[in-house]
Amino acid sequence: DAGITQSPRYKITETGRQVTLMCHQTWSHSYMFWYRQDLGHGLRLIYYSAAADITDKGEVPDGYVVSRSKTENFPLTLESATRSQTSVYFCASSELLTSHSYEQYFGPGTRLTVT
Amino acid sequence: GENVEQHPSTLSVQEGDSAVIKCTYSDSASNYFPWYKQELGKRPQLIIDIRSNVGEKKDQRIAVTLNKTAKHFSLHITETQPEDSAVYFCAASFSGYSTLTFGKGTMLLVSP
Repeated sequence: DAGITQSPRYKITETGRQVTLMCHQTWSHSYMFWYRQDLGHGLRLIYYSAAADITDKGEVPDGYVVSRSKTENFPLTLESATRSQTSVYFCASSELLTSHSYEQYFGPGTRLTVT
Repeated sequence: GENVEQHPSTLSVQEGDSAVIKCTYSDSASNYFPWYKQELGKRPQLIIDIRSNVGEKKDQRIAVTLNKTAKHFSLHITETQPEDSAVYFCAASFSGYSTLTFGKGTMLLVSP
């Protein structure tokens, strides 16, 4: 688990500000994911990436932007934060589909509050 | 897309009792079904998974069963202990794609 980290762990920002959440993994996993966790909604996929420079939308992508210039990093940017984006954000990674394991390894999470 | 329903949303049991959490999925093409456990304030972690070519899988006190015809799968925890208290998430995916669709979670509380 220590192989995937997120920063910051806690963030308070104001409505309309841009904020970037960082995710870094040391396993060279091909796939990386961003989820948000809200009470009553479980884990919802925002964006995912199959490899460097390949990204795709998940269930709730509106208001978010991602990039993946390096395999180990997958930052998530809220271009203009809204109160509805107050949530706990989890990054996760997994190996190639051709491996025997589809396990996703989660980072420790970032608690974001938009005031 | 895939839709996963999970029940119950909360479950309270006495220590030593069994607990069962049920999930249904909508996409008949789904063939991979993991369960994640999330302790309070921690990250979700995989505890067991099952693929559609088997009907049951056990790992010590936990087991998962799969009914492909009915499109539902269940998590069974026997001899529950206070440390089993957590939120449990089921998920489903088609192994040709690595995205998981999660249920909304079940908060399990095991009382001593």
